[in-house]
Amino acid sequence: AAGVIQSPRHLIKEKRETATLKCYPIPRHDTVYWYQQGPGQDPQFLISFYEKMQSDKGSIPDRFSAQQFSDYHSELNMSSLELGDSALYFCASSETADVGYNEQFFGPGTRLTVL
Amino acid sequence: GEDVEQSLFLSVREGDSSVINCTYTDSSSTYLYWYKQEPGAGLQLLTYIFSNMDMKQDQRLTVLLNKKDKHLSLRIADTQTGDSAIYFCAEPYMNSGYSTLTFGKGTMLLVSP
Repeated sequence: AAGVIQSPRHLIKEKRETATLKCYPIPRHDTVYWYQQGPGQDPQFLISFYEKMQSDKGSIPDRFSAQQFSDYHSELNMSSLELGDSALYFCASSETADVGYNEQFFGPGTRLTVL
Repeated sequence: GEDVEQSLFLSVREGDSSVINCTYTDSSSTYLYWYKQEPGAGLQLLTYIFSNMDMKQDQRLTVLLNKKDKHLSLRIADTQTGDSAIYFCAEPYMNSGYSTLTFGKGTMLLVSP
């Protein structure tokens, strides 16, 4: 079965550089979520999109932005990178954004290291 | 999101039962989830329980829900070394009419032979 695809899997950047992470949801899933997981931490919700519109916003820094495109893939753009941005970034997708049973399928994550 | 709390570490021997506990704060949560994360890997949904249930059994997994105390537990029977991982409980929260997940800090389960 198709899963959530994230690219790249690993990324190394210097401070103050920019990074773009990509997420390809499971076919027919219209909702995408981004999470950040620092070392030894639980995943923290950043932002989500439903039908190409931002649906929810969590602890996403102003230096970050994201969008969902017409083919439902999503990109997380990160600028002025800081050492503290080093983390695993997960994308998840679901069939619906409704409250209720909302199984989110997670991608393998992109490990971002900022030097 | 609401605070979700878990014990951080659990060590068991292979063949024993493991019980991982979680407390949550949002009494309106309709579903509660357990996710498993193996080292360096993504999050895998293990099981879930609907809030009007007290218990759900799924092969070696048993989920118990005490809504009064807002307590959720995951029992793994006949724990195997392959069960070693971090287990997160998660609850949805509403914001702007949509639902996303709040995770607990995770419980690291270590299974020794």
